[in-house]
Amino acid sequence: SQTIHQWPATLVQPVGSPLSLECTVEGTSNPNLYWYRQAAGRGLQLLFYSVGIGQISSEVPQNLSASRPQDRQFILSSKKLLLSDSGFYLCAYPQGRSRGYTFGSGTRLTVV
Amino acid sequence: TQLLEQSPQFLSIQEGENLTVYCNSSSVFSSLQWYRQEPGEGPVLLVTVVTGGEVKKLKRLTFQFGDARKDSSLHITAAQPGDTGLYLCAGRIFNDYKLSFGAGTTVTVRA
Repeated sequence: SQTIHQWPATLVQPVGSPLSLECTVEGTSNPNLYWYRQAAGRGLQLLFYSVGIGQISSEVPQNLSASRPQDRQFILSSKKLLLSDSGFYLCAYPQGRSRGYTFGSGTRLTVV
Repeated sequence: TQLLEQSPQFLSIQEGENLTVYCNSSSVFSSLQWYRQEPGEGPVLLVTVVTGGEVKKLKRLTFQFGDARKDSSLHITAAQPGDTGLYLCAGRIFNDYKLSFGAGTTVTVRA
């Protein structure tokens, strides 16, 4: 069966510190992968998507970057965090015929 | 600018009442999904609609896709406290594999 893992679940980081969030998928090969950010109780903003190893498309200019070093691994990074980077970060991949997404459990990032 | 507009933003009702959440756009979608999200968790897919005018039922939840494929609604009959959550609609435009999400409707069902 297909599963998606995100870690860490929560993170509190000072302004100016680096960031690395990891997402891994099991049970599928070469999936499209997506990073979303969600403000409290609101909709999802697409940050990055990847259709394969080493391929990254950015949707919103920002302080973040993404990488896909392996088929089933998607990493969200920042060299220097800003207060505005706080939020709930979600990784997702398509469910196939249902055309919907399966989401990871998310990472709550608070920049202080 | 939000591609999908959801209304209302907040909805608080008593257990047993009915509710409807709306999702509207000026764009035409090849498919549209509804998700439910609980605090601290990722959204969970409830349904996908792909045909204009389509109606799908999931127990007490009824989903409708507009004839023109630009809008959708979610109707909950006899709401229960377990229906409490953030409801998100998301659509995919033709020839685009990315999903665009609405801003969500926070539903609270009071016991």
